[in-house]
Amino acid sequence: NAGVMQNPRHLVRRRGQEARLRCSPMKGHSHVYWYRQLPEEGLKFMVYLQKENIIDESGMPKERFSAEFPKEGPSILRIQQVVRGDSAAYFCASSPRSGITEAFFGQGTRLTVV
Amino acid sequence: RKEVEQDPGPFNVPEGATVAFNCTYSNSASQSFFWYRQDCRKEPKLLMSVYSSGNEDGRFTAQLNRASQYISLLIRDSKLSDSATYLCAVNMQQAGTALIFGKGTTLSVSS
Repeated sequence: NAGVMQNPRHLVRRRGQEARLRCSPMKGHSHVYWYRQLPEEGLKFMVYLQKENIIDESGMPKERFSAEFPKEGPSILRIQQVVRGDSAAYFCASSPRSGITEAFFGQGTRLTVV
Repeated sequence: RKEVEQDPGPFNVPEGATVAFNCTYSNSASQSFFWYRQDCRKEPKLLMSVYSSGNEDGRFTAQLNRASQYISLLIRDSKLSDSATYLCAVNMQQAGTALIFGKGTTLSVSS
């Protein structure tokens, strides 16, 4: 039973390029959460999605960032025109339902903007 | 006031010591509480859920104090392998909410 799968594990982008981060939730999980972690910082909530719906995007920067979780396929976090400040670890978590349940994390994608 | 706050530490303790961490939360409607462990440059891993009555798992004990709005984690007989960052996580028991994490408390156990 595979856990939460994220790819790529490491991603290097030049300033101005686009970054696409993928997350496949655990089997049976339909809720996906994206978090960003800067060095020496905590996990910052970005966005919460269910299949084909964005439930809460209150943590997403207003520009350049978007997320989707289509009916088929993984959830995608897209960062357009990356800047050095976007360099961070991006973690995806999934849960079978919202509210009282715990969430399980993928291994993360480490984005480096050069 | 931040939603979830933790003392960042570091807590430096010898093997065999007992150490306790607290985590305060600001939203009195919060219903679900968890402790996660994060090793350096790895993903957070669920350590234990925190129930109203408190719960224990081996050397680890979690407690919830609703009146004062904090949860605690007690580690007895610390091992070198317990060295990590411990994150508390909170969410409200309703649809449409995600886990909110504290910044974590760093524990270093030495021999």
